[in-house]
Amino acid sequence: GAGVSQSPRYKVAKRGQDVALRCDPISGHVSLFWYQQALGQGPEFLTYFQNEAQLDKSGLPSDRFFAERPEGSVSTLKIQRTQQEDSAVYLCASSLDRSPNSEQFFGPGTRLTVL
Amino acid sequence: GDSVTQMEGPVTLSEEAFLTINCTYTATGYPSLFWYVQYPGEGLQLLLKATKADDKGSNKGFEATYRKETTSFHLEKGSVQVSDSAVYFCALSTNSGNTPLVFGKGTRLSVIA
Repeated sequence: GAGVSQSPRYKVAKRGQDVALRCDPISGHVSLFWYQQALGQGPEFLTYFQNEAQLDKSGLPSDRFFAERPEGSVSTLKIQRTQQEDSAVYLCASSLDRSPNSEQFFGPGTRLTVL
Repeated sequence: GDSVTQMEGPVTLSEEAFLTINCTYTATGYPSLFWYVQYPGEGLQLLLKATKADDKGSNKGFEATYRKETTSFHLEKGSVQVSDSAVYFCALSTNSGNTPLVFGKGTRLSVIA
């Protein structure tokens, strides 16, 4: 596709529900990042994949958060037993390779609201 | 750890006014510095970047200079337009491979005609 796509764009969940957020990176992009953006804040790093390998998950806030990229393309961020503090926009970004100057391209985000 | 501090908004300017959004950073090593922009209803887009000291990034009339001595990367534009209304984020990444971006909190700019 032309850019990074994410689905759904909006998700409302009741507290305690599990949710799954999907990211389709730009075709051929090796690196994939997930960020969490709370209202009025800048994005904060959650996790990073290089192809199918999850190289850094230091930003995941709790063990309720899980991400995968099994075939090195599409990625899913799963949040189990959602809490109100999980309400945020979840951003996915991809980049062509692992060089320091490889630009990260962002998707439009999924806005998660936990009631 | 690495961090970015940028001036708080919102900033409201009249069309054709001069814009400065301040950004300072704390990082180990020699980071690359970025400005991203988020237009209403759209995703984050890279506006400009600089990868080493004294580099100037520029795009769409915006520019920022990487100042190592003051650890700053202030965004400037000589004459803003209504279409520049957006949220602007300063960010850094370390140069050790393809590393996550560290963002500031963002500055909302509103330009009125």
